[in-house]
Amino acid sequence: DAKTTQPPSMDCAEGRAANLPCNHSTISGNEYVYWYRQIHSQGPQYIIHGLKNNETNEMASLIITEDRKSSTLILPHATLRDTAVYYCIVSLYNDYKLSFGAGTTVTVRA
Amino acid sequence: KAGVTQTPRYLIKTRGQQVTLSCSPISGHRSVSWYQQTPGQGLQFLFEYFSETQRNKGNFPGRFSGRQFSNSRSEMNVSTLELGDSALYLCASRLGDRVTQETQYFGPGTRLLVL
Repeated sequence: DAKTTQPPSMDCAEGRAANLPCNHSTISGNEYVYWYRQIHSQGPQYIIHGLKNNETNEMASLIITEDRKSSTLILPHATLRDTAVYYCIVSLYNDYKLSFGAGTTVTVRA
Repeated sequence: KAGVTQTPRYLIKTRGQQVTLSCSPISGHRSVSWYQQTPGQGLQFLFEYFSETQRNKGNFPGRFSGRQFSNSRSEMNVSTLELGDSALYLCASRLGDRVTQETQYFGPGTRLLVL
């Protein structure tokens, strides 16, 4: 019951910015956008989340459109260690579970 | 602050056996959720525990159960193992008060192989 759409895969050159799109056209006003990534066979790693405003932390930036129907995760300087499956998840702030879709497999190439 | 820890990291069992997996949440977190990840079904929610009580449950058979202790550590148990139970079992913790925005933090997972 994932409520997001992401491209299945994308490549990125090492050192360049990686821009990962996510569509969430049915998002409701009190739902957050969360991004996690999962490096092969490890547990998902929290990256960033946002409600309306753009957010930035030490890992990435999150750009949410004004109508909140889509967002973009930006990895400013991709490294080989950023190769992973990236999940965009829409969830209420107090939801008891996260609904993971298929995510985007990002491959960073040297 | 230490992250979520799970033990064991790898486990091999045979059909019909039972297994117990353990999860220690981040200090101060009272909610522990369990997920199953398989190549075919992706990440699926199993159940959530808060203050030693199962608060929510996913769509899994009764062979999957869990419990939480007073120190918030949690265990999940799978009885009468089937080949299809082979998966990565993930534990996630968060504060659990549901009043403010919360982020779930995941452990490294336990890889279970059923032969």
